Amino acid sequence: GAGVSQSPRYKVAKRGQDVALRCDPISGHVSLFWYQQALGQGPEFLTYFQNEAQLDKSGLPSDRFFAERPEGSVSTLKIQRTQQEDSAVYLCASRHRTGTASYEQYFGPGTRLTVT
Amino acid sequence: DQQVKQNSPSLSVQEGRISILNCDYTNSMFDYFLWYKKYPAEGPTFLISISSIKDKNEDGRFTVFLNKSAKHLSLHIVPSQPGDSAVYFCAASGSGGSNYKLTFGKGTLLTVNP
Repeated sequence: GAGVSQSPRYKVAKRGQDVALRCDPISGHVSLFWYQQALGQGPEFLTYFQNEAQLDKSGLPSDRFFAERPEGSVSTLKIQRTQQEDSAVYLCASRHRTGTASYEQYFGPGTRLTVT
Repeated sequence: DQQVKQNSPSLSVQEGRISILNCDYTNSMFDYFLWYKKYPAEGPTFLISISSIKDKNEDGRFTVFLNKSAKHLSLHIVPSQPGDSAVYFCAASGSGGSNYKLTFGKGTLLTVNP
């Protein structure tokens, strides 16, 4: 299908390791978002890209979190020196373009990160 | 401080009856509201949305009602089917410079019993 894909689907990291999570948005979607979903909670905004520009990173919980989208399509969320509190599902979403009347975002299946 | 609240963690309904899921918000800058459905091990799937200039939007078995003065919205599913069993998230978005990120509630687990 032509939906949002994410890899890996599951990742187990030892505390202190670095991890990289990948997102392939829907082709042609200008906007890309990362969310973090802790157990029993709703998704929480991390960061937003319009094409290759990171326009908002206000939700990133610490400077250990870094996201990029260098060519305006695929995005990578990197977490350095992982901590147990980083354990969560990381969701990527894309949206067609700015200026449209609709605000729907289309989500990938998520990457479940477990830090041991 | 949660800006979007879903106060019912769970709801159980008989097949064929109506399911009503509720959502309250506190931020008056929100002007677009969405419902997402989530199955285990999958990402949220967009269901239906409503702009603040409307008070109702209908799509098949799903209807969303918005009461802007009460800062309350609800999702009605009629008739409910067992395949509707999932976690439902209410989400809200602002407009203008902040019209991009979604703020979610904690979700309501709907169980539709055959």
